[in-house]
Amino acid sequence: AQSVAQPEDQVNVAEGNPLTVKCTYSVSGNPYLFWYVQYPNRGLQFLLKYITGDNLVKGSYGFEAEFNKSQTSFHLKKPSALVSDSALYFCAVRDWKSGTYKYIFGTGTRLKVLA
Amino acid sequence: DTGVSQNPRHKITKRGQNVTFRCDPISEHNRLYWYRQTLGQGPEFLTYFQNEAQLEKSRLLSDRFSAERPKGSFSTLEIQRTEQGDSAMYLCASSLAGGGNTGELFFGEGSRLTVL
Repeated sequence: AQSVAQPEDQVNVAEGNPLTVKCTYSVSGNPYLFWYVQYPNRGLQFLLKYITGDNLVKGSYGFEAEFNKSQTSFHLKKPSALVSDSALYFCAVRDWKSGTYKYIFGTGTRLKVLA
Repeated sequence: DTGVSQNPRHKITKRGQNVTFRCDPISEHNRLYWYRQTLGQGPEFLTYFQNEAQLEKSRLLSDRFSAERPKGSFSTLEIQRTEQGDSAMYLCASSLAGGGNTGELFFGEGSRLTVL
């Protein structure tokens, strides 16, 4: 079975500081990993994905994420946070060897960037 | 912009009534997904289609929920005999499968259901 954990309900960071939003996953096979962002009353927007290859992936709006197979983690990072980054962030996983094309989402982490 | 379109955006209904939501995916996308999201929670998988075939349905989905994608294009999600616990945002997403695509999901804006 696939699962995703986002251990922090909320992350607060000062504008200009680096930010990290944590995600760990569990799959029986091999993961495709994704990060999405959601603004109030909107759908989810794709930020970045890990499929294979380089463990550090870069995505939209200056975000990046690091895949760590031994720690089964896929933390989202940004070197310098902006107030406009304040939103709800979701990690998602699909086990591409499981025979299902179902994506499982975490419970979300609210990022608050303080001016 | 021909993104994923969902209608209606908001629906208020009385308990016991039936409601139907429609999703128009990105035109070349062959997979279509329905998720439910309640306040402060992540999207919860309901079902997905590949073309017109419904390939997987969540065990959490009661018999009151049914989804169709009759011609492999738009999809409808019907909830019969609504209950207050059905109040949520219903999200539709689509993806392009095959040909080496890794199939990230593209979401619509959602349909918010309030059951009184």
